[in-house]
Amino acid sequence: GAVVSQHPSRVICKSGTSVKIECRSLDFQATTMFWYRQFPKQSLMLMATSNEGSKATYEQGVEKDKFLINHASLTLSTLTVTSAHPEDSSFYICSARDWGRTDTQYFGPGTRLTVL
Amino acid sequence: GNSVTQMEGPVTLSEEAFLTINCTYTATGYPSLFWYVQYPGEGLQLLLKATKADDKGSNKGFEATYRKETTSFHLEKGSVQVSDSAVYFCALSGVPSAGGTSYGKLTFGQGTILTVHP
Repeated sequence: GAVVSQHPSRVICKSGTSVKIECRSLDFQATTMFWYRQFPKQSLMLMATSNEGSKATYEQGVEKDKFLINHASLTLSTLTVTSAHPEDSSFYICSARDWGRTDTQYFGPGTRLTVL
Repeated sequence: GNSVTQMEGPVTLSEEAFLTINCTYTATGYPSLFWYVQYPGEGLQLLLKATKADDKGSNKGFEATYRKETTSFHLEKGSVQVSDSAVYFCALSGVPSAGGTSYGKLTFGQGTILTVHP
C-alpha cells in the first residue's frame, strides 16, 4: 500500500526554539495533506489542511503563526512549530490523500515532540 | 458540525472472543465512514471503509455496516487474536457541499483501546 513517512520520529527541544517536521508521500503525489495532533489517550485533532502550491487552511483555534505549514511539492509538506513551549509537546501526525488511485488517506507514523 | 462517538474503552478480551466496538456519528449529508487501527508504535492504518448506506466494509475478519437509520458504523469481529490488540478509531469524511470546506477532512472518534489476552 501507499506509504507516508515523517521525519523526525522523535524530537526534544528547548523552550523558545523552532522545530520542523517533514511529511512525505513516498509512492504517490499528494495535492492535499493533513496535519493532526494527538494527545495521550485521546483522539486525533485536525490542525490544518495543507494544499500544494497554496496557503494551508487552519482549523478554528489553531494559531497559523505558531504552526507554519509549507506544501512546496506534491510529495512534501512541512510543519514548523515556532517558539515552542512545553504545552506544544504532543504527537503530531500527518496524512496524505491519494485522490487519484484509491481516494484514501494514508497516515505517517507520527512525530513525538517534547519541549523542555 | 460533524462528530463521531465511540464506545469508551479499554476493551479487554480473551483470544477467540467476539468483538463489538460501537460507533455513532452526526453529520450532514452522506459522509463516508472509516475504521482505522493504530498498532503500538505505528501510524494509523485504514482497516475498512463504507461510502454509502447499507454498504459493508470488511478486512482481516473485521466488518462494519453503514447504517444510516441509526447513524452507526459498529465494528465487529467474530474471533479476535492477540495480534488484534491496538487502538481502533472510527472516523467520517465530510462530503462536498456548496461552498463547503469539509470534503476530505476526517473527523475521528476518541479511539478504543483493545487488548486481547491469550
